[in-house]
Amino acid sequence: NAGVTQTPKFQVLKTGQSMTLQCAQDMNHNSMYWYRQDPGMGLRLIYYSASEGTTDKGEVPNGYNVSRLNKREFSLRLESAAPSQTSVYFCASSEITGGLYEQYFGPGTRLTVT
Amino acid sequence: AQSVAQPEDQVNVAEGNPLTVKCTYSVSGNPYLFWYVQYPNRGLQFLLKYITGDNLVKGSYGFEAEFNKSQTSFHLKKPSALVSDSALYFCAVRSTYNAGNNRKLIWGLGTSLAVNP
Repeated sequence: NAGVTQTPKFQVLKTGQSMTLQCAQDMNHNSMYWYRQDPGMGLRLIYYSASEGTTDKGEVPNGYNVSRLNKREFSLRLESAAPSQTSVYFCASSEITGGLYEQYFGPGTRLTVT
Repeated sequence: AQSVAQPEDQVNVAEGNPLTVKCTYSVSGNPYLFWYVQYPNRGLQFLLKYITGDNLVKGSYGFEAEFNKSQTSFHLKKPSALVSDSALYFCAVRSTYNAGNNRKLIWGLGTSLAVNP
């Protein structure tokens, strides 16, 4: 049981380049999330998917797009990277959105945009 | 508006001493409350949660938390700290109203715990 996996672990991009962060979970969870973590800002929700086939914006969606490819996989795309997107990105999953279910996190992707 | 406050950016405690990491919250209705821990260069791990019932909740690694409705607090505690407990701790809250923005989990900014040998 791998839990939540993310690729890549590290990435350096130049301003304007694009990339996709991949996330997969093997816990048969319905809901998946993308967060970014910045010093002094805590965790901020970028996008989430309450169930397969649905996606919704979180607090800081600008500059990002997501795809819920199937129940297991939820990807985050940066179309034109900016230095302000330098951050650590975490994917998480839970049985459902809302309610009393805890979230399970991946190990993170450390992204630097120069 | 829903919010979570972790009033201390950093807590320092000597190994073997009791530790407390503070959390206060504001939600519409009753809260679901969570504590997570993040070790260096790792993702967050769930520690414990309060849903309903007994105000004292026990979780992983010997941690516990006490829900206090009148003070709207959910402080994390451990009777005897270990050096290996040094990490970043996050409190989170969600309203029991399961609609609209109330469905979202609201995160505190985190408290860095340093346990000194």
